[in-house]
Amino acid sequence: GENVEQHPSTLSVQEGDSAVIKCTYSDSASNYFPWYKQELGKGPQLIIDIRSNVGEKKDQRIAVTLNKTAKHFSLHITETQPEDSAVYFCAATGANNLFFGTGTRLTVIP
Amino acid sequence: GAVVSQHPSRVICKSGTSVKIECRSLDFQATTMFWYRQFPKQSLMLMATSNEGSKATYEQGVEKDKFLINHASLTLSTLTVTSAHPEDSSFYICSGKKTGEREQYFGPGTRLTVT
Repeated sequence: GENVEQHPSTLSVQEGDSAVIKCTYSDSASNYFPWYKQELGKGPQLIIDIRSNVGEKKDQRIAVTLNKTAKHFSLHITETQPEDSAVYFCAATGANNLFFGTGTRLTVIP
Repeated sequence: GAVVSQHPSRVICKSGTSVKIECRSLDFQATTMFWYRQFPKQSLMLMATSNEGSKATYEQGVEKDKFLINHASLTLSTLTVTSAHPEDSSFYICSGKKTGEREQYFGPGTRLTVT
């Protein structure tokens, strides 16, 4: 089955700086890669996703890049704000089920 | 659009009793719903996948007789934890998926505490 690894597990940045979270996956058949933001005591919220026929996607301060050859994808958050503080999960899927990374706790220091 | 609700948000039950958690897609039809369990500071672990009108497919290691899943309509799935034990205490999260789409939309989660 699919194995998704995520790094780093924790990340602290100063407000206004950029944050980058990286994930790798093992199954070359995976073709959909969403990113979720989870705040304390809440369910995950989809923030951006990318499909295997695209190398990069951007939505305001958030961008995701995908390297299918290397089987890795990354989340980039620019101009970070305190409200970006949360746990971020990457995921990968080729069919129906999502396989999640282990999560990154992002702290944005005001 | 694509809002999923869960009820209750928090529940405390005594060991040996059963508790039911509801998951509803409020503004879309979810032909497939998923149930996850999340322990503190850990990732989401898929428990089962259910398609409307069909029996749920459980992941390895998840007891189907203990975690009863019903997906009777395109907007409602329920998870019943039977004969609950303290080790069942966890954060249970559901998600729904629209027909033909890849995205999963998650509910806010239910915190279950078994005393």
